[in-house]
Amino acid sequence: GDSVTQMEGPVTLSEEAFLTINCTYTATGYPSLFWYVQYPGEGLQLLLKATKADDKGSNKGFEATYRKETTSFHLEKGSVQVSDSAVYFCALANRDDKIIFGKGTRLHILP
Amino acid sequence: EPEVTQTPSHQVTQMGQEVILRCVPISNHLYFYWYRQILGQKVEFLVSFYNNEISEKSEIFDDQFSVERPDGSNFTLKIRSTKLEDSAMYFCASTRDRGYNQPQHFGDGTRLSIL
Repeated sequence: GDSVTQMEGPVTLSEEAFLTINCTYTATGYPSLFWYVQYPGEGLQLLLKATKADDKGSNKGFEATYRKETTSFHLEKGSVQVSDSAVYFCALANRDDKIIFGKGTRLHILP
Repeated sequence: EPEVTQTPSHQVTQMGQEVILRCVPISNHLYFYWYRQILGQKVEFLVSFYNNEISEKSEIFDDQFSVERPDGSNFTLKIRSTKLEDSAMYFCASTRDRGYNQPQHFGDGTRLSIL
C-alpha cells in the first residue's frame, strides 16, 4: 500500500542554519503531497502542498518540490528561526481522500 | 480564519467505559475525518464521513467505534468499551470539497488516556 518515509528526528539546528528534512513516498499513480506542522500544544496545520510532478509548494520560507523520478518531497528552509521548532509531518493523499502520514520529525532550533 | 474545534482537550477514562469525542468542523465543510496518533507513532486514518454516511474506514475502525453527526454542527467519535491500547491523540479534520488535492483542516486534537 501507499506509504511515506521521513527522516528520523530529533533534528537540532542553530538559528539561521539551513534545514532539510527528507521525505520519500511509495504510491501508485499520482498522489498529492503535503507537509503538515504541529507546534507545541497545537493541532496539525497545513504548511505546504504540491499536487503534480515538479510542482513546488512554499510557505513561510519553507519549500518542497514534488520529484516523481526520485519519489521525494524534501522540505527545505534557508534560514531557520527559533519559532520554527515543531514536529513536521510529510504526507500524501491518493485516489481516495484519506491522508497517509509519515512518522514526523521533531525540529529543535537553538538561539 | 475558521477553525476545527475539538472537545475535550484531554479525556481520562477507565478501561471498559464508553467515551465520546466531539468535533465542530468548519461550517461550510462537507467531508469529515477522524485520525489517531498513538504516542511516538504515525498519525493514522480512522474514518471518513460524508452525507451522513461513512465513506471509508480503516481496519482500525472496528465495531468498537462509531461516528455520528447528531446535528448540523457536531461530528462525534464514540468508542465503546475502551481498551488500554485506545490511548492516543485523536484528531478531527474537515474539508469543503472531496478530492485528493484538497488539504484537510485539522483540530488541535483530544488526548485520550485509558486507565
